Amino acid sequence: EVQVVQSGAEVKKPGESLKISCQGSGDSFTNYWIGWVRQMPGKGLEWMGILFFSNSDTRYSPSFQGHVTISADKSISTAYLQWSSLKASDTAMYYCATTRDGNTHWDYWGQGTLVTVSS
Amino acid sequence: QSALTQPASVSGSPGQWITISCTGTSSDVGGYNYVSWYQQHPGKAPKVIIYGVSNRPSGVSNRFSGSKSGNTASLTISGLQAEDEADYYCSSFKGGLYVFGSGTEVTVL
Repeated sequence: EVQVVQSGAEVKKPGESLKISCQGSGDSFTNYWIGWVRQMPGKGLEWMGILFFSNSDTRYSPSFQGHVTISADKSISTAYLQWSSLKASDTAMYYCATTRDGNTHWDYWGQGTLVTVSS
Repeated sequence: QSALTQPASVSGSPGQWITISCTGTSSDVGGYNYVSWYQQHPGKAPKVIIYGVSNRPSGVSNRFSGSKSGNTASLTISGLQAEDEADYYCSSFKGGLYVFGSGTEVTVL
């Protein structure tokens, strides 16, 4: 069975950098897409971007382009979401989700990583 | 990417049926049969309950059904149960990426 496990909660100060991770297991993730979703406190879900493990084809939602970096290490079936300079407005729960290439829905979800940015 | 439009809240009594709409454009909902629906309970990760407009993943109750007409997709929950109280989000493929709906809070009276 496919499982997705995310890294633990983070507390950071504005201006600091951060990289959170999402590791898949239970299948070969070469032909999987990984997606990152933001959920700000009390708000809805927002797609941030998606990446294809096989060739690292990465696509960003316009709202997040230039603000975050999505990457992956396919040798360890792990994807990353990275900030170079955090802002208080980055405080949110971040979920990763994954699906096989060819699917158009996201069937495996991580447990979420809570990122708190506060001075 | 503008969010797809959903009603903020819908409520119903146990045993009744409710419908949640998801309105987009010809560039997303209307342009592809790639609408999916996600259920999210408080403090939990989303879970897919409908994909490809009207398909249910294995293990999802047949009380959940989906449809689409033009630029509007719909999720119907029949025989409403207390455990259905949650937030529901539609999502559609759009221009090589995905977009979520604004979300609907379902309350079981």
